[in-house]
Amino acid sequence: SQKIEQNSEALNIQEGKTATLTCNYTNYSPAYLQWYRQDPGRGPVFLLLIRENEKEKRKERLKVTFDTTLKQSLFHITASQPADSATYLCAHPGNSGAGSYQLTFGKGTKLSVIP
Amino acid sequence: EAQVTQNPRYLITVTGKKLTVTCSQNMNHEYMSWYRQDPGLGLRQIYYSMNVEVTDKGDVPEGYKVSRKEKRNFPLILESPSPNQTSLYFCASGGLALHEQYFGPGTRLTVT
Repeated sequence: SQKIEQNSEALNIQEGKTATLTCNYTNYSPAYLQWYRQDPGRGPVFLLLIRENEKEKRKERLKVTFDTTLKQSLFHITASQPADSATYLCAHPGNSGAGSYQLTFGKGTKLSVIP
Repeated sequence: EAQVTQNPRYLITVTGKKLTVTCSQNMNHEYMSWYRQDPGLGLRQIYYSMNVEVTDKGDVPEGYKVSRKEKRNFPLILESPSPNQTSLYFCASGGLALHEQYFGPGTRLTVT
């Protein structure tokens, strides 16, 4: 079955640097990948969606890439700020039909931006 | 304000006492879903619904029931809660064309 893995449980970086988070999947290439932000005790908040035919997507200081050859998505936060500290989750849909709306989430990477 | 609401936010109960966690969305979304989140296991889907009267199992449906009688509401029912259902529960909704999901604030359930 499809697995989705976020390599790092935690990542500490200095304020102002670029944070790069990794999401890997096995087996089939999903139609899209999503990235969410989750603050402690709160529900995840949708950030970006990237489709398999898109190499890169940007939103303000955020950038997501999708490499179907490497079976990997990278999530970048440029000029990071302490307010970016949170857990970031990647998610992919099921293979087809109704399952394509059924999201499987990675376990998340907890990002800490140090002032 | 567009939102997903859940009630209650916190609940402590005893083994075997039936409970319902309500979920409501005001965005006219077709898709709704329930997840549980546990340390080390991440978010896991319990049930989802593509529309009224259409529900399907997620990855961890055992011990849970859902119903979708109205588009805006998707309650989660635990007929006989057990301690291993102690968890943080999230409801989410989404439009079928948009794919991204909007999450509620969470319900922290403790079963003793």
